[in-house]
Amino acid sequence: NAGVTQTPKFRVLKTGQSMTLLCAQDMNHEYMYWYRQDPGMGLRLIHYSVGEGTTAKGEVPDGYNVSRLKKQNFLLGLESAAPSQTSVYFCASSSGWIRETQYFGPGTRLLVL
Amino acid sequence: GQQVMQIPQYQHVQEGEDFTTYCNSSTTLSNIQWYKQRPGGHPVFLIQLVKSGEVKKQKRLTFQFGEAKKNSSLHITATQTTDVGTYFCAGRGGATNKLIFGTGTLLAVQP
Repeated sequence: NAGVTQTPKFRVLKTGQSMTLLCAQDMNHEYMYWYRQDPGMGLRLIHYSVGEGTTAKGEVPDGYNVSRLKKQNFLLGLESAAPSQTSVYFCASSSGWIRETQYFGPGTRLLVL
Repeated sequence: GQQVMQIPQYQHVQEGEDFTTYCNSSTTLSNIQWYKQRPGGHPVFLIQLVKSGEVKKQKRLTFQFGEAKKNSSLHITATQTTDVGTYFCAGRGGATNKLIFGTGTLLAVQP
């Protein structure tokens, strides 16, 4: 099992460009999450999904959109990238909500110029 | 909203010294998880605590959950260079029971 995979690993964007980050998991997990990690701020939840076809906002959703068309995939979109979105993005998945472990992908490093 | 703070932000120790990081929540937590992130890596689950006053051990690591379920600590005895990384606590609480990550403690271990 690959666990949680993310593509791309690294990307450079110019301000105003758009892109989509892809997260895939092969553990048949219902729950998936997108976080961003910035120095000194820990991991902040952007959006999450509690099942195929559902999405919900996390702590910092502005400027991002998500879709969960298939259970195994969770896409994070930036419609018009801004320098403030320079960050490391982690996807995670879990089998449940309350007590289950979250399994993280390797991360995507995004630089917006 | 719910906040989870960790102290210290950074600690540098000599190999063999002990290390402790503390996690404090603004609200009562239903449970708390601890994760470790190696430099350049991704967070990896270490342990979960659920009960008030719970103490769990994993070899040289000791995890505690406070009696009021608003704080937690991770203590490493006799650190090794393999312990290097950032340690995050993550607590569930509040109306939505979302998992909120602490700010993390970066541990550096000098051989």
